[in-house]
Amino acid sequence: QSVLTQPPSVSGAPGQRVTISCTGSSSNIGAAYDVHWYQQLPGTAPKLLIYGNNNRPSGVPDRFSGSKSGTSASLAITGLQAEDEADYYCQSYDSSLNAHVVFGGGTKLTVL
Amino acid sequence: EVQLLESGGGLVQRGGSLRLSCVPFGFTFSTYAMSWVRQAPGKGLEWVSSISGSGGNTYYADSVKGRFTISRDNSKNTLYLQMNSLRAEDTAVYYCAKNRGTFPLYSSLSDWGQGTLVTVSS
Repeated sequence: QSVLTQPPSVSGAPGQRVTISCTGSSSNIGAAYDVHWYQQLPGTAPKLLIYGNNNRPSGVPDRFSGSKSGTSASLAITGLQAEDEADYYCQSYDSSLNAHVVFGGGTKLTVL
Repeated sequence: EVQLLESGGGLVQRGGSLRLSCVPFGFTFSTYAMSWVRQAPGKGLEWVSSISGSGGNTYYADSVKGRFTISRDNSKNTLYLQMNSLRAEDTAVYYCAKNRGTFPLYSSLSDWGQGTLVTVSS
């Protein structure tokens, strides 16, 4: 069981908008620790997509955006493209006794 | 361009040891915290360990504390992960990653290596 909860899968047609949620608690997202998002294409290493809740590294299209509210965060992808099909992970810090850096369980995005 | 090249993975028996290395290119190694993240076959990402830029502060996941040791040699531009008392559940691809911010536990991982596979046989 991951400290951060993500839906196992989401899907959308090309051109549509999809969102991926990342639900935490008062010891991580709710404690105002930053949330980061990663994209992992099949057979490759993860790539940083969003850092500090809503910031895009250079080179990441503005179709990708992040937001945070309360104990949850979301990744939104607009204008869905076939090459967006990948696994997506959220990451944060947890201040509880036995946790440090925590990842969500990952969400598989399927482009229909 | 930032690159991270891991090496040292392989097949090891349960209870054995292995040392992973990560050599960085394209940035001033000593000024960045670094981390190791692993991914078991078909599973999600799991943070393993992080180290500050100077090497003076280290952090571990509970699952590896007391068995793994992260270290760095800034004079040799190399990051290490010494893994002892290996278990079947340590089988995974191990990624070396560069931290974006100053404090390794809060910051994102801006660059990742290609990963090195560690297989622990029972």
